[in-house]
Amino acid sequence: QVQLVQSGAEVKKPGASVKVSCKVSGYTLTELSMHWVRQAPGKGLEWMGGFDPEDGETIYAQKFQGRVTMTEDTSTDTAYMELSSLRSEDTAVYYCAAYSNSKNYFDYWGQGTLVTVSS
Amino acid sequence: AIRMTQSPSSLSASTGDRVTITCRASQGISSYLAWYQQKPGKAPKLLIYAASTLQSGVPSRFSGSGSGTDFTLTISCLQSEDFATYYCQQYYSYRFTFGPGTKVDIK
Repeated sequence: QVQLVQSGAEVKKPGASVKVSCKVSGYTLTELSMHWVRQAPGKGLEWMGGFDPEDGETIYAQKFQGRVTMTEDTSTDTAYMELSSLRSEDTAVYYCAAYSNSKNYFDYWGQGTLVTVSS
Repeated sequence: AIRMTQSPSSLSASTGDRVTITCRASQGISSYLAWYQQKPGKAPKLLIYAASTLQSGVPSRFSGSGSGTDFTLTISCLQSEDFATYYCQQYYSYRFTFGPGTKVDIK
């Protein structure tokens, strides 16, 4: 049974960076395509980016290009999402979401990490 | 990017009702569409993929249909545990996009 367990809530000041982790169990990270989706308070789901196994590259949504970095540590089966130059609009719950076997839809989700950006 | 829209944005229904939610893509996406259910404070849960294939463990009262640009999610007999927000997601383009969601609440 695949589980994605995320790091805890964060409070950051505008202009700072945040790094959220997502630890995989039940599978290895190399067997999954890991993505990140965020949800601002009271709003919908927004795909931020993720790993394209066909190209072997991480693809980012244009909105976050240059401000987000998604990395993986296969030795610990942990994925990371770092978002820089934070502003109040980045206050949201950040989810890691994954799939196996090139499905391209998300059957595995982390529990979410609330990131609050406030001065 | 492919833009997804949903209608209605919200609806009120009673247990036992038949509910239909529509999702539309800004361009043809074949059947590369998934539906998710999200309850407050919880992560989304996959209900349907490939427009009409029920994820394992999802009750058969949920069904999906459509291809190209127009899709529907139907709940045939609404149960109390189905009050939630529903999102569609296209995966035709690798730059995935979600619809804005449809909130189903109690009438």
